Amino acid sequence: AQKITQTQPGMFVQEKEAVTLDCTYDTSDQSYGLFWYKQPSSGEMIFLIYQGSYDEQNATEGRYSLNFQKARKSANLVISASQLGDSAMYFCAMRESKNSGYSTLTFGKGTMLLVSP
Amino acid sequence: DTEVTQTPKHLVMGMTNKKSLKCEQHMGHRAMYWYKQKAKKPPELMFVYSYEKLSINESVPSRFSPECPNSSLLNLHLHALQPEDSALYLCASSQGSVADSFSYEQYFGPGTRLTVT
Repeated sequence: AQKITQTQPGMFVQEKEAVTLDCTYDTSDQSYGLFWYKQPSSGEMIFLIYQGSYDEQNATEGRYSLNFQKARKSANLVISASQLGDSAMYFCAMRESKNSGYSTLTFGKGTMLLVSP
Repeated sequence: DTEVTQTPKHLVMGMTNKKSLKCEQHMGHRAMYWYKQKAKKPPELMFVYSYEKLSINESVPSRFSPECPNSSLLNLHLHALQPEDSALYLCASSQGSVADSFSYEQYFGPGTRLTVT
């Protein structure tokens, strides 16, 4: 079973509009972290936002906010006032503890966002 | 400075060649990672170094050989690669060891686009 599910292979949005990118996760751990990364066509993975499993408030970073619904196991990324430079692949990722004591990132398959003028 | 640098940006090599990829960070991070990413896919973890020791090897073929000469440098030595090894190779670093806080985001470099002919 997939640990991170991103159901939208592609999304389109007009400049200055808001857009929500979906992410659901599956874990039996009580402690975990959720991340969103942006990957433009240049290839670099850019960290956007983090939400901890015990954080009561939704994380926000500038135009990015994370709509965290723990009971539903969802961590959707909301981008407000989209810009042309937001066109990129977006990955949702989770960090959880493995039995070995090490925690690594598990990525979803990604959502390609295209922002049109 | 939240920069991870990788050299070279592009690499074309034959199946009998030996080459190395280099990654450097000066953020004082103690965990460094190698990922492999095929087109339109999420990154796949290859190796993790924690405090300059190899902590995780995700069953990577021996034709890939990682090395961590010091806390700022991470190398990936390549030998006798196959055409299916052509991919974007991403290096990342994070504060602390892989067993530490879930909030430690990974900072990624721009990647090396490798083509094996």
